[in-house]
Amino acid sequence: AQSVSQHNHHVILSEAASLELGCNYSYGGTVNLFWYVQYPGQHLQLLLKYFSGDPLVKGIKGFEAEFIKSKFSFNLRKPSVQWSDTAEYFCAVNGKSSASKIIFGSGTRLSIRP
Amino acid sequence: DGGITQSPKYLFRKEGQNVTLSCEQNLNHDAMYWYRQDPGQGLRLIYYSQIVNDFQKGDIAEGYSVSREKKESFPLTVTSAQKNPTAFYLCASSFRDYQETQYFGPGTRLLVL
Repeated sequence: AQSVSQHNHHVILSEAASLELGCNYSYGGTVNLFWYVQYPGQHLQLLLKYFSGDPLVKGIKGFEAEFIKSKFSFNLRKPSVQWSDTAEYFCAVNGKSSASKIIFGSGTRLSIRP
Repeated sequence: DGGITQSPKYLFRKEGQNVTLSCEQNLNHDAMYWYRQDPGQGLRLIYYSQIVNDFQKGDIAEGYSVSREKKESFPLTVTSAQKNPTAFYLCASSFRDYQETQYFGPGTRLLVL
């Protein structure tokens, strides 16, 4: 079955701490991978995506993610978080065909202590 | 400003009542989507449409209906057959299909009286 697992439901960090949010997927074939973010009171928006090429992808606001095919993982990282990174983060996956639906993970809520 | 608008922000449904959630986009996108977001469950696809007058069921379409009479509009009706409608509903669009980035609206929170 196709699925995305985000094992950390709620992560609490202090400002300047390093961040890594886990994402593992189960999906047959070649995949596209996404991280979306939902800041409080704002629309869900794309943080970064991987379609092909360099498995280390850089996104907005200093975030990056690494696609490790052998581990079926696409973990999100940031070396030093800020209070403004407080948000809910969703990992998502789909296949390469135009009809391949996106499967979202259950989300990780990130709280940053000032 | 280009974007996706959803209305209303909050919607209350009485037992046995059908309610319709509005979604409009001015991004000239072909594809539009409806998702349901429940706490701890992420986003689940209800319906999607890649062209006008055509739409497909997603993973949880039972109790919902949609129409796509115009490219800009993709309203979702929550029917009385949906027994657990309380949720946050998100509309999204993308340029052509699932291979492009999806852009999301602000959402509608549906509550049952």
